[in-house]
Amino acid sequence: ETGVTQSPTHLIKTRGQQVTLRCSSQSGHNTVSWYQQALGQGPQFIFQYYREEENGRGNFPPRFSGLQFPNYSSELNVNALELDDSALYLCASSLNSGVGEQYFGPGTRLTVT
Amino acid sequence: LAKTTQPISMDSYEGQEVNITCSHNNIATNDYITWYQQFPSQGPRFIIQGYKTKVTNEVASLFIPADRKSSTLSLPRVSLSDTAVYYCLVVPEGQNFVFGPGTRLSVLP
Repeated sequence: ETGVTQSPTHLIKTRGQQVTLRCSSQSGHNTVSWYQQALGQGPQFIFQYYREEENGRGNFPPRFSGLQFPNYSSELNVNALELDDSALYLCASSLNSGVGEQYFGPGTRLTVT
Repeated sequence: LAKTTQPISMDSYEGQEVNITCSHNNIATNDYITWYQQFPSQGPRFIIQGYKTKVTNEVASLFIPADRKSSTLSLPRVSLSDTAVYYCLVVPEGQNFVFGPGTRLSVLP
């Protein structure tokens, strides 16, 4: 176990709705990264938060937004859900940004109908 | 960002050594080579990271030639539980991870 937890485990939403996913980082880690993983593909980087500030963003539209709290836990918000948003959403925590090891949570499986 | 190329899939038998090679021709001076393992419906798990020559830990070895344009992950004596997807990443210092499609390893009895 990595000590990274995510909630909820599974979620079903309707197209056009909004969703919030949550991640608790490993104790002592100040950096959280979020990834989207479609079935059969590798994880795609969404964005990273380092000490409550966004520290890099992948090729995702602005309706994907995030937040990191003082305790370094994090939220991923997705507005105006589309069918293609159906995926496994992974968060990973690390100590500082950079090349160091990232510890992944089990993910949240989002299904958009 | 350096792009990586690795085989889509590999088959092996229990007890064999498995070598997965990753090509990264455009690797930059400050880039590190990192390998992750992922089981179905789980997040990726760090296996090993290296910069040059050889790195070994309790799980695997990583071989990196002098030109660093490729690397080989070596798994000694695989078991059925090593069946997973293995990702090779080239990680630039201060930047973010880019995962390719990975190599799907199937270990057969």
